[in-house]
Amino acid sequence: DAGVIQSPRHEVTEMGQEVTLRCKPISGHDYLFWYRQTMMRGLELLIYFNNNVPIDDSGMPEDRFSAKMPNASFSTLKIQPSEPRDSAVYFCASSLWRARGKGSPLHFGNGTRLTVT
Amino acid sequence: QKEVEQNSGPLSVPEGAIASLNCTYSDRGSQSFFWYRQYSGKSPELIMSIYSNGDKEDGRFTAQLNKASQYVSLLIRDSQPSDSATYLCAVEPTNDYKLSFGAGTTVTVRA
Repeated sequence: DAGVIQSPRHEVTEMGQEVTLRCKPISGHDYLFWYRQTMMRGLELLIYFNNNVPIDDSGMPEDRFSAKMPNASFSTLKIQPSEPRDSAVYFCASSLWRARGKGSPLHFGNGTRLTVT
Repeated sequence: QKEVEQNSGPLSVPEGAIASLNCTYSDRGSQSFFWYRQYSGKSPELIMSIYSNGDKEDGRFTAQLNKASQYVSLLIRDSQPSDSATYLCAVEPTNDYKLSFGAGTTVTVRA
């Protein structure tokens, strides 16, 4: 089975430019999560979707960040304008909700390493 | 208080020894618990899940859960250099669908 697919793997951009990260979740999964990971702050949840609907975006750092999920097989995370402090590894993850206590682990993509100069 | 706390690392163990990783959580109603391994420069991968009190063994890995003490641990027996990685504890809260992650414990296995 194909896992979670993210693109691009690496992105280098200049401050002020727009950045779009893409994610294809595992087929059949109903939850999709966007995380950001840095050495200083660890793994941070930015936003998550259930059946393509955004449920909790409280982790989105500021209005420069936006995320969409137009269908069950595609999601984007956009940063506009980008800043050097946005440099991090961005992970997309998906899961299939079974039942509370039955185990709904996350499956992570390979991540996008973003460098903003 | 953080939702999920892990013992601070890094943890250095000799090859062949047992590595013991600890995790405590604050939500008493949590029911699902996961351990992820993350190699440097890679994404987290699920290595163990546990849902009921007691021990669960999978190869050289053993997860232990004690809900009364709000404590979950991971033992790595016969540690190998290939086990050198950061291990993340994740907990499913009572009233949410997003996992809470600990900060991770970095393990180094010395040959």
